[in-house]
Amino acid sequence: ESVLTQSPGTLSLSPGERATLSCRASQSISSSYLTWYQQKPGQAPRLLIYSASSRATGIPDRFSGSGSGTDFTLTISRLEPEDFAVYYCQQYGRVFGQGTRLEIK
Amino acid sequence: EVQLVESGGGLIQPGGSLRLSCAASGFTVTRNYMTWVRQAPGKGLEWVSVLYIDGSTYYADSVKGRFTVSRDNSKNTLYLQMNSLRAEDTAVYYCARDLGPGTGSPFDYWGQGTLVTVSS
Repeated sequence: ESVLTQSPGTLSLSPGERATLSCRASQSISSSYLTWYQQKPGQAPRLLIYSASSRATGIPDRFSGSGSGTDFTLTISRLEPEDFAVYYCQQYGRVFGQGTRLEIK
Repeated sequence: EVQLVESGGGLIQPGGSLRLSCAASGFTVTRNYMTWVRQAPGKGLEWVSVLYIDGSTYYADSVKGRFTVSRDNSKNTLYLQMNSLRAEDTAVYYCARDLGPGTGSPFDYWGQGTLVTVSS
């Protein structure tokens, strides 16, 4: 089972900027198995992206996922105030990355 | 509308037992993969267990042999029986619907979570 390492640990950006979050697997995984979640304080996680690049229902198109093999990326094209949260990647419904905190600069 | 509501959390002494419930509405538990995820205070997410449609169960190594996932068809409810609890089991426990292996097992609906505190 792969270990997922997310970087950076914290990302400080301003609304309107582009955010790029990385998730690296310790061994190659199928892109079908890579999922991204968003979690805000005091809330349950929310499904954003599955199969590396498919947006979940109701997710704005400013969120996109890409990658294959060991390197995956979540991109938020233009940050909205509500996008500041913690983001987790996950492999095949099991292993989670440690999370990236996206904070307002 | 799909909804998951967890209950059963609380303060329990080390070595004790607790059963969490996750009442589902808007879909049928027995026709879906269901999972438990936990989050220790201030920490990240940790997958705990999954119950497949065919009844197969899988557990994280950290809880294997101590936790048991099950479901009640008549109540449309998922359970997590937790025995031999340790301080490191302290966390918010979430149940979620797992879309299954065919889609890479993303979790599309989550409950609000229930807090389990293991302390003397």
